[in-house]
Amino acid sequence: KQEVTQIPAALSVPEGENLVLNCSFTDSAIYNLQWFRQDPGKGLTSLLLIQSSQREQTSGRLNASLDKSSGRSTLYIAASQPGDSATYLCAVSRGSNYKLTFGKGTLLTVNP
Amino acid sequence: DADVTQTPRNRITKTGKRIMLECSQTKGHDRMYWYRQDPGLGLQLIYYSFDVKDINKGEISDGYSVSRQAQAKFSLSLESAIPNQTALYFCATSETGQGTDTQYFGPGTRLTVL
Repeated sequence: KQEVTQIPAALSVPEGENLVLNCSFTDSAIYNLQWFRQDPGKGLTSLLLIQSSQREQTSGRLNASLDKSSGRSTLYIAASQPGDSATYLCAVSRGSNYKLTFGKGTLLTVNP
Repeated sequence: DADVTQTPRNRITKTGKRIMLECSQTKGHDRMYWYRQDPGLGLQLIYYSFDVKDINKGEISDGYSVSRQAQAKFSLSLESAIPNQTALYFCATSETGQGTDTQYFGPGTRLTVL
């Protein structure tokens, strides 16, 4: 059974700092990996999706990397802002049926 | 207007009551999903549907049923609600064959069973 772990569970940083969120998964036979952002009362928003054949994806200040063989992904946020404060979730898909297995998330607080 | 909507957004009910949560989408996607989220836990898949005639159980389907009334509508029912079904429920959609497999989530329904 696939298990997804996110470390740390919570992170508090000052504005402007670069930071890394970690995600690990136990079964390396994944189809893709997604990073989501969850804001209270607003559901989940997809940030980046990395196919199993890719090593990284970038969107603005966000960069996600994937090392499938070691079962790890990182989400790098550059020059953090208070608006980045949210819970970040990592999820993996085990095949073309698109079912996602989620981690428990990292609660990020960026202090002004 | 939001692409994926859920009603109601909040609901408080009593043990034993029948509850229906509704999800509608205007994205034209064929695949729809229901997840629940409990504090300190990740999202868990309850049911998913790849088209109107294709409905599948997820990880935690016991105590739940679903109905795909149309491509755009997917409802989740709790036939006899119990307190441990208190959770945040999310509906999501995705599109077949687009290569990205991104799922788009609704805002969630907070359900409390007393």
